[in-house]
Amino acid sequence: AQTVTQSQPEMSVQEAETVTLSCTYDTSESDYYLFWYKQPPSRQMILVIRQEAYKQQNATENRFSVNFQKAAKSFSLKISDSQLGDAAMYFCAYRNTGNQFYFGTGTSLTVIP
Amino acid sequence: EAGVTQFPSHSVIEKGQTVTLRCDPISGHDNLYWYRRVMGKEIKFLLHFVKESKQDESGMPNNRFLAERTGGTYSTLKVQPAELEDSGVYFCASSPMTGTSYNEQFFGPGTRLTVL
Repeated sequence: AQTVTQSQPEMSVQEAETVTLSCTYDTSESDYYLFWYKQPPSRQMILVIRQEAYKQQNATENRFSVNFQKAAKSFSLKISDSQLGDAAMYFCAYRNTGNQFYFGTGTSLTVIP
Repeated sequence: EAGVTQFPSHSVIEKGQTVTLRCDPISGHDNLYWYRRVMGKEIKFLLHFVKESKQDESGMPNNRFLAERTGGTYSTLKVQPAELEDSGVYFCASSPMTGTSYNEQFFGPGTRLTVL
């Protein structure tokens, strides 16, 4: 069974600094998708970034980038130039070929002004 | 484009009572999913509809949970009778069958259920 592990329940970062959220997963599949979702205090969860497992190039979306290490089954999220609006709960998610999603327990990110 | 909406946003009920949660997916999205997050735990899959049909309900905890999607539009999730361990945030998500957004699920704000 696929599992997703986020080992950092809480993280904090100084405004304008960089922070990395870790995520590891376990799977026997070779084709899958990985996601980072963000849930701000208003509770609507939104997609931050997506990575296809067959792509070697790490995905990037503005200040957000991932470090995808397929062999190590690691998928960390780097937030550069952190802003107050980045404060949220971040969920790492794995999607298998059957379109089933598996989530981690989340990392609560605090941005310090 | 309106996003996924859920009603109510909060619900507080007593053990043994019945609660019905509603989810309205994004218009045109045939896939509809229900998830639950118990405090401090991961978000867990409950079930998946394709239009009005249950594609996968392997995550439903027990027969006190009943999900429906009549007409393939909105969905309801009924808990009857509610138990203390049912407390948590219930998320709904939707996605289209095809297109560039197929691999992404769009989430609603969730319904926070508290069973006393």
